[in-house]
Amino acid sequence: AQKITQTQPGMFVQEKEAVTLDCTYDTSDPSYGLFWYKQPSSGEMIFLIYQGSYDQQNATEGRYSLNFQKARKSANLVISASQLGDSAMYFCAMRVLTGGGNKLTFGTGTQLKVEL
Amino acid sequence: NAGVMQNPRHLVRRRGQEARLRCSPMKGHSHVYWYRQLPEEGLKFMVYLQKENIIDESGMPKERFSAEFPKEGPSILRIQQVVRGDSAAYFCASSPQGRADYGYTFGSGTRLTVV
Repeated sequence: AQKITQTQPGMFVQEKEAVTLDCTYDTSDPSYGLFWYKQPSSGEMIFLIYQGSYDQQNATEGRYSLNFQKARKSANLVISASQLGDSAMYFCAMRVLTGGGNKLTFGTGTQLKVEL
Repeated sequence: NAGVMQNPRHLVRRRGQEARLRCSPMKGHSHVYWYRQLPEEGLKFMVYLQKENIIDESGMPKERFSAEFPKEGPSILRIQQVVRGDSAAYFCASSPQGRADYGYTFGSGTRLTVV
């Protein structure tokens, strides 16, 4: 069975600062993908970034980067130069790629609040 | 190039009524997934469908819930005889065939309230 753990229910960061949202995962499958989603107060789910288990380099997408530490089974999201619009709930998710179907397993989320 | 379309955005049903939630995937996407989000929780997988086929329904409650994705038209998640515990946000997502790295495209969700 797969499991995603997000231990920070809430985080605060000042505008223009960087923030790291923690995510650890558990799977015995060697092939998997890790995802981060943003859910603003309006409720939609917005895909941010993807990291494959065999990717050699950490994924980056604009101000988002994924700090992938395979041996520690962690996939932390780093947001650089935080903006007020980054205030939202952030979910880490995993998909097992071999025999695991196509479903995503989500963590419980981290509520990020960006302050002036 | 419309994204995943879900309707209605909000749905209120009395206990015992039926709820029908609709999802039209992105153009060119042949895989549809339904997830449920209870208040203060992450999303939980319910069912994965391709056209006219249920591929994985391991997350669906055994009773009252059903899903379909017909050859023509949207995917439908149907909840019969709703109870208060069914109140949640229901999200549909779609992906292209064969893209394991694809982060899905989610719809805006349907918020079901059972009164």
